[in-house]
Amino acid sequence: DAMVIQNPRYQVTQFGKPVTLSCSQTLNHNVMYWYQQKSSQAPKLLFHYYDKDFNNEADTPDNFQSRRPNTSFCFLDIRSPGLGDAAMYLCATSRDGRGAGVDTEAFFGQGTRLTVV
Amino acid sequence: RKEVEQDPGPFNVPEGATVAFNCTYSNSASQSFFWYRQDCRKEPKLLMSVYSSGNEDGRFTAQLNRASQYISLLIRDSKLSDSATYLCVVNGGLGGSTLGRLYFGRGTQLTVWP
Repeated sequence: DAMVIQNPRYQVTQFGKPVTLSCSQTLNHNVMYWYQQKSSQAPKLLFHYYDKDFNNEADTPDNFQSRRPNTSFCFLDIRSPGLGDAAMYLCATSRDGRGAGVDTEAFFGQGTRLTVV
Repeated sequence: RKEVEQDPGPFNVPEGATVAFNCTYSNSASQSFFWYRQDCRKEPKLLMSVYSSGNEDGRFTAQLNRASQYISLLIRDSKLSDSATYLCVVNGGLGGSTLGRLYFGRGTQLTVWP
């Protein structure tokens, strides 16, 4: 059974039209991550939550926001998608990203492939 | 300087070959290291974790050299099904601006041919 679930798998949105991607987890992990991955590139960390503590990366554009209303769910909001935001968006969880060992292992959802038209 | 650096390859090897990938990381405070496998247009999946000097799982061996800050992955007796991109992942350490973060290398592409 999938433990990290992302919806939708594929999302087409219009240039400038707000879009929300969702992620849910059944692992009860403290940490949830959002990554952006473009073709042939490494996944790029956008932000992560350690429990309710939100951590933004310095180079994440303001166009990207996130919400974590409870342990199980996390959302990625793109306020005004541009053509350059087309990518695979990956959600991941880990039990305790600030710990060590197995607690830091990350489990990924299947990703949402975003197309901007 | 990037947190994690990998040779992107591609590596093209015949079935049965042994192939090795290297990865270097910049944060000496990092405690946890991983190799993930990513198939085309799929999500990364954990292949191996490395917490001490090394780890072996069947045909796969991962080694960690803290002094030189690099991690390696060795695949023996390559199979066609090993064709994928292998991502080196490093936990950002226990303090400072990298606390709790997981950083990815850009991946090394492997193709195993018959």
